[in-house]
Amino acid sequence: GAVVSQHPSRVICKSGTSVKIECRSLDFQATTMFWYRQFPKQSLMLMATSNEGSKATYEQGVEKDKFLINHASLTLSTLTVTSAHPEDSSFYICSASRGRAEAFFGQGTRLTVV
Amino acid sequence: AQSVSQHNHHVILSEAASLELGCNYSYGGTVNLFWYVQYPGQHLQLLLKYFSGDPLVKGIKGFEAEFIKSKFSFNLRKPSVQWSDTAEYFCARGGYNKLIFGAGTRLAVHP
Repeated sequence: GAVVSQHPSRVICKSGTSVKIECRSLDFQATTMFWYRQFPKQSLMLMATSNEGSKATYEQGVEKDKFLINHASLTLSTLTVTSAHPEDSSFYICSASRGRAEAFFGQGTRLTVV
Repeated sequence: AQSVSQHNHHVILSEAASLELGCNYSYGGTVNLFWYVQYPGQHLQLLLKYFSGDPLVKGIKGFEAEFIKSKFSFNLRKPSVQWSDTAEYFCARGGYNKLIFGAGTRLAVHP
């Protein structure tokens, strides 16, 4: 299957700082990338959908100024958590799609804000 | 709004027992259905998917699922589980390129 790489896998940052998470499709061109958030013992919640070269589409309740998404190329999307606070601590997962509803997932990034 | 329901949050089985995890989806929209597995410390992996055709879908690692349109269900089955099947299982549906996940079922298999 296709490979999606997410970096970093873990990050600890101080409250008020910003953190950037990268999502790369290593062996295919991803027309669409998705960012999810997973709270402990809960399912993945879609945060936003990004298409290469255009603005991301955010789900209801997700602050677009807080979670900046850039999809600069067909193989790279980034999620920047700006002015992070402890409540932003979570597991963030990206996925990349190359066709009809088939998505491949990154290994996730555990963000801890202290 | 489209949704996916998984009614079993925790399942505990002994090795060699049979497994069936429930998944129901809401009416309406495109019905592309998936089962994903997340092993401890690892990323989500696709077990199987259904887009159309034969409602009985075979996946990896001996898993299968049956799409029953009249019941809006897509239950996951395995005739004999192994300890290595301990993981969290997510049912999902896809609108075009967008996945909606169920809450997940945590399966623990004891030797």
